[in-house]
Amino acid sequence: EAGVTQFPSHSVIEKGQTVTLRCDPISGHDNLYWYRRVMGKEIKFLLHFVKESKQDESGMPNNRFLAERTGGTYSTLKVQPAELEDSGVYFCASSQARAGELFFGEGSRLTVL
Amino acid sequence: QKEVEQNSGPLSVPEGAIASLNCTYSDRGSQSFFWYRQYSGKSPELIMFIYSNGDKEDGRFTAQLNKASQYVSLLIRDSQPSDSATYLCAVGGRDDKIIFGKGTRLHILP
Repeated sequence: EAGVTQFPSHSVIEKGQTVTLRCDPISGHDNLYWYRRVMGKEIKFLLHFVKESKQDESGMPNNRFLAERTGGTYSTLKVQPAELEDSGVYFCASSQARAGELFFGEGSRLTVL
Repeated sequence: QKEVEQNSGPLSVPEGAIASLNCTYSDRGSQSFFWYRQYSGKSPELIMFIYSNGDKEDGRFTAQLNKASQYVSLLIRDSQPSDSATYLCAVGGRDDKIIFGKGTRLHILP
């Protein structure tokens, strides 16, 4: 069975540009989470989808970040326009149950120059 | 602000000994508790979860939960060099949000 997949694995962009990260959860997992790890800090919660609905987006830093999950399958996280402080590793995770065991993707490393 | 606290380490343990990792959490309503292992440059990998007070054992790993003290621990018996990694404590609340600690770096000395 395929795990959580994320694309791209690494993206280098200039400040002010747009980047879209994609996550394909494990098939059948209704719960999809986005997290971000900035160098030296903890993995911080961004948001949680249940199917196509945003259950909790309290961790989204600001309105430059937009997450979608059309049809309750894959999800995208768009950063527009990107700022230097957005650099970090963006992890996607999925689970069958709410607040259940999370299975992580390999992460998308974003570098904003 | 809900928090999960861990000692960042590094924690150095001789090969074959027991490694003890600790975690405290602030939200008394938390309901699910997890330990993840993360190797450098890799994604977190779930190794243990526990929902009820007491101990839960799986192979060389034992998770311990004390909700009254808001304390979770992970014991690794017969530590191996391959256990060297960062161990992340994660806590799930009634709002379904799962919060992570900063992690403890564990180094097993050959």
